[in-house]
Amino acid sequence: EAGVAQSPRYKIIEKRQSVAFWCNPISGHATLYWYQQILGQGPKLLIQFQNNGVVDDSQLPKDRFSAERLKGVDSTLKIQPAKLEDSAVYLCASSSQRGSYEQYFGPGTRLTVT
Amino acid sequence: AQSVSQHNHHVILSEAASLELGCNYSYGGTVNLFWYVQYPGQHLQLLLKYFSGDPLVKGIKGFEAEFIKSKFSFNLRKPSVQWSDTAEYFCAVNNTNAGKSTFGDGTTLTVKP
Repeated sequence: EAGVAQSPRYKIIEKRQSVAFWCNPISGHATLYWYQQILGQGPKLLIQFQNNGVVDDSQLPKDRFSAERLKGVDSTLKIQPAKLEDSAVYLCASSSQRGSYEQYFGPGTRLTVT
Repeated sequence: AQSVSQHNHHVILSEAASLELGCNYSYGGTVNLFWYVQYPGQHLQLLLKYFSGDPLVKGIKGFEAEFIKSKFSFNLRKPSVQWSDTAEYFCAVNNTNAGKSTFGDGTTLTVKP
């Protein structure tokens, strides 16, 4: 079984630029999560999708972050414009049931904003 | 708001020592509880989980955790650690009503050979 795929693995941008991350979850997993993990902290949920609908985006900074999940499969997370404090690892995870089962994580994208 | 507290930020042990990592959460409703591990250079992966039933759950590699509802705790234990257990350990709580997961800030375990 293929795992959760993410790209790119690393990205360096200047502040005020835009950036996009891509995630392909495990086949058949209905729930997809995006997390932000700042160095020294645990993953913080940004947005949770159930199929292609948003279940929770209460911690997503909507003035600069956006996410979509087309056709209930792949997802993209965008930041526009980026700030220095957005430097973090962005993790994508998927699970087969809404929040009740274990999450499978991708390798993450390490974003550095200079 | 739901929160998870891991009391130990960094633990250093010698091989064969016993391990206990603390995890406390704040949420009064029904929860699912997880411990995830991230070995150096690898993805976060599930170590063990509790949904219901026996509050003592066993996971991979000899780890176990005990859910104590009255203390809102889900501490991770291992009787004898190995050098290969060096990793970062995260406790996570899932609120079954909202389906929302919250992670602690993690504990870095270093096992000296």
